[in-house]
Amino acid sequence: GAGVSQSPSNKVTEKGKDVELRCDPISGHTALYWYRQSLGQGLEFLIYFQGNSAPDKSGLPSDRFSAERTGGSVSTLTIQRTQQEDSAVYLCASSLARESGEQYFGPGTRLTVT
Amino acid sequence: KQEVTQIPAALSVPEGENLVLNCSFTDSAIYNLQWFRQDPGKGLTSLLLIQSSQREQTSGRLNASLDKSSGRSTLYIAASQPGDSATYLCAVLSSASKIIFGSGTRLSIRP
Repeated sequence: GAGVSQSPSNKVTEKGKDVELRCDPISGHTALYWYRQSLGQGLEFLIYFQGNSAPDKSGLPSDRFSAERTGGSVSTLTIQRTQQEDSAVYLCASSLARESGEQYFGPGTRLTVT
Repeated sequence: KQEVTQIPAALSVPEGENLVLNCSFTDSAIYNLQWFRQDPGKGLTSLLLIQSSQREQTSGRLNASLDKSSGRSTLYIAASQPGDSATYLCAVLSSASKIIFGSGTRLSIRP
């Protein structure tokens, strides 16, 4: 079966513009995670979905960041009024269940804010 | 607050050697621990997942161990190959906090 997919693979945007990043998890995976990896940095947890609800939004760096998940499947991460410090690789992962599931990662979206 | 540390930050060994990568965590109340590899410019590939009730997992030349009481996990790579060169990350899912990744060990295998 297909793995986790993300689109676009690369996005260049001007400072101040809004961007939407998409994640298609593995079919049947109820848990979905968004992470950010800045150049030379480790992975930073952003948000976790269980089904369509987000019990843990604690990692979102500011109110410019939001995410939603519909139908227990596709998720979009939206960054409003992008800043240069938002430039990073945004990674999505899914797992069958949070407490025991192995996480499978997508290839990521490389966001560059100019 | 859960903190995950990986030592060393970088490691270079000649081909054929066995090696051990270390991961330590401060809160032993975890659900699982997962080891990943990341190649430059690429996403993460899952290597091994150890549930909190398990002591070790093996896949091919890889063996991961977990000692919750001491807050440690090791990833053992046998008979290393140049293709093993990558950054290795451990991630902890704990009951009290979100998933936390270590900063990784950058491994280089010299032919």
